[in-house]
Amino acid sequence: EAAVTQSPRNKVTVTGGNVTLSCRQTNSHNYMYWYRQDTGHGLRLIHYSYGAGNLQIGDVPDGYKATRTTQEDFFLLLELASPSQTSLYFCASSDQGPNTEVFFGKGTRLTVV
Amino acid sequence: QQKVQQSPESLSVPEGGMASLNCTSSDRNFQYFWWYRQHSGEGPKALMSIFSDGDKKEGRFTAHLNKASLHVSLHIRDSQPSDSALYFCAASETNSGTYQRFGTGTKLQVVP
Repeated sequence: EAAVTQSPRNKVTVTGGNVTLSCRQTNSHNYMYWYRQDTGHGLRLIHYSYGAGNLQIGDVPDGYKATRTTQEDFFLLLELASPSQTSLYFCASSDQGPNTEVFFGKGTRLTVV
Repeated sequence: QQKVQQSPESLSVPEGGMASLNCTSSDRNFQYFWWYRQHSGEGPKALMSIFSDGDKKEGRFTAHLNKASLHVSLHIRDSQPSDSALYFCAASETNSGTYQRFGTGTKLQVVP
């Protein structure tokens, strides 16, 4: 089964702080995604990538940067964290495009105080 | 605005009963649908996909798609307490370079 590993699993930061969330997938999938999950909104896509060095904008990109350094590694950066970015963040990967199964990590709980 | 809407928000069924979840897309480009299930403390995991009109059955789970109305449903027969989870519908279009859009989720509780 596809493996997607996120770190850290929990993070607390202060308003205005810098945060980097890390994700590694070990299945040579082309696509990687960053979602946030909030009650009442479901899962919303922040950024995604279909290969090393590629970055695409999702539905809620404001306040976030992302970088895909290798086929395996995808990072989400919050450079000036705000309380509105308190959320549960999921990294995910899929082999091809939108019609293939998406495999999720276990999530990172981020709290901005 | 959410392009994929799910109902109900929450649902409680007795053990052994039938659970029915609904999903509608507001974008006619979305023709391909997935159902995902998320247990507490875990990430979502795919249950099944449905790309053609009609029914698709996998064990106790049956999905039904009506492309004309952009409506897909998931029916769980003989519900078990282990089915208690958050269920997401996801929709996508055919073009590469796009991505699945997820709904708001339905929380299912199966009561023993």
